[in-house]
Amino acid sequence: DAKTTQPPSMDCAEGRAANLPCNHSTISGNEYVYWYRQIHSQGPQYIIHGLKNNETNEMASLIITEDRKSSTLILPHATLRDTAVYYCIVRVAAEYGNKLVFGAGTILRVKS
Amino acid sequence: GAVVSQHPSWVICKSGTSVKIECRSLDFQATTMFWYRQFPKQSLMLMATSNEGSKATYEQGVEKDKFLINHASLTLSTLTVTSAHPEDSSFYICSARDWGGRTGYTFGSGTRLTVV
Repeated sequence: DAKTTQPPSMDCAEGRAANLPCNHSTISGNEYVYWYRQIHSQGPQYIIHGLKNNETNEMASLIITEDRKSSTLILPHATLRDTAVYYCIVRVAAEYGNKLVFGAGTILRVKS
Repeated sequence: GAVVSQHPSWVICKSGTSVKIECRSLDFQATTMFWYRQFPKQSLMLMATSNEGSKATYEQGVEKDKFLINHASLTLSTLTVTSAHPEDSSFYICSARDWGGRTGYTFGSGTRLTVV
């Protein structure tokens, strides 16, 4: 079962920052948080991941709370092409290697 | 960056036939690959973990004899949907673990299967 909860949908104005929250209150100490997004009928696209420190790359920033029970993905200047389903995922340990178990995701609509 | 190629991108087959979907890691070796299925307006559901040279590990509720997975080389995993029925119609997506890469998990572009 997924270990994350996200709001089902969010709207954001073009050019503004999009802040997508995620709760993962049962996360274990060595489990990473990953963010992917999926545009209709395509495979998920990697955005960012982290363990406990905040992370930033060319696409986004990831802010993880000190207790690691929640995180926020920030798209600094959203564009219409950022409209997609965003998945917050906790990488789960399994017998044959870690795996990504997807939750329901957040539909982000960027509007002009 | 790491690229995962999935083929075919879409397929239509008749009920009762079998369909094979290929997942290839193009520029890295993938000892572990994953297969997901996705129904319309739903999230991805992990079906199985495929390890090169060994049997796949299936998630609870996924029929092993229905969804045959073979991971015979470090760059290729295949999913065969056997005796397909209309309820097997779905979007199937593979993912490969790139140990040396920045992201770790790269996804293919998916295969749309329609069983008529």
